[in-house]
Amino acid sequence: ILNVEQSPQSLHVQEGDSTNFTCSFPSSNFYALHWYRWETAKSPEALFVMTLNGDEKKKGRISATLNTKEGYSYLYIKGSQPEDSATYLCAFRIRTGGFKTIFGAGTRLFVKA
Amino acid sequence: DVKVTQSSRYLVKRTGEKVFLECVQDMDHENMFWYRQDPGLGLRLIYFSYDVKMKEKGDIPEGYSVSREKKERFSLILESASTNQTSMYLCASSATGELFFGEGSRLTVL
Repeated sequence: ILNVEQSPQSLHVQEGDSTNFTCSFPSSNFYALHWYRWETAKSPEALFVMTLNGDEKKKGRISATLNTKEGYSYLYIKGSQPEDSATYLCAFRIRTGGFKTIFGAGTRLFVKA
Repeated sequence: DVKVTQSSRYLVKRTGEKVFLECVQDMDHENMFWYRQDPGLGLRLIYFSYDVKMKEKGDIPEGYSVSREKKERFSLILESASTNQTSMYLCASSATGELFFGEGSRLTVL
């Protein structure tokens, strides 16, 4: 059974704190790793897609790294702001014949002003 | 601004009712998906479609059916709603792998 684990389940931080979450996935049949941000009452939106071992992506204060050999990705937020409060979803994409995307349960981030 | 639009944000239905959830995308994407999201679980794929009139079962198709008569529209149908179908339903479309989502439809079945 293919499983994607995200930790922690939820996180409460103060404005200005830096934080990071983990996404763990099976290392076989890897094709791509996606991070999405899902704010309350909005649509989930893509943050990053990473395909190569060692990939690092950055968008403003948010960055992500990928290790396909050991099966994990980290998402970092530097200097958290209240507007970063959201659920961060990790999605692991494999190719076995066709494509399949498996989502983790998400990390719910609360940033207090 | 690209968009995936779901017809209803909130619905309350009774057990046994037929429920239609509609989804429209304006990006000319071939692929469309229906997911459900429940607390503590990742998004689970119900059905997907890679072309008009084509459909494939996802991981949890039981109790659901779908319709794709036009490229831009993908409908999820609950033939006879049950309480265990109370959930958040997300529609998505894709061309290259990145998913574009609607805002979700929260369905409560009483």
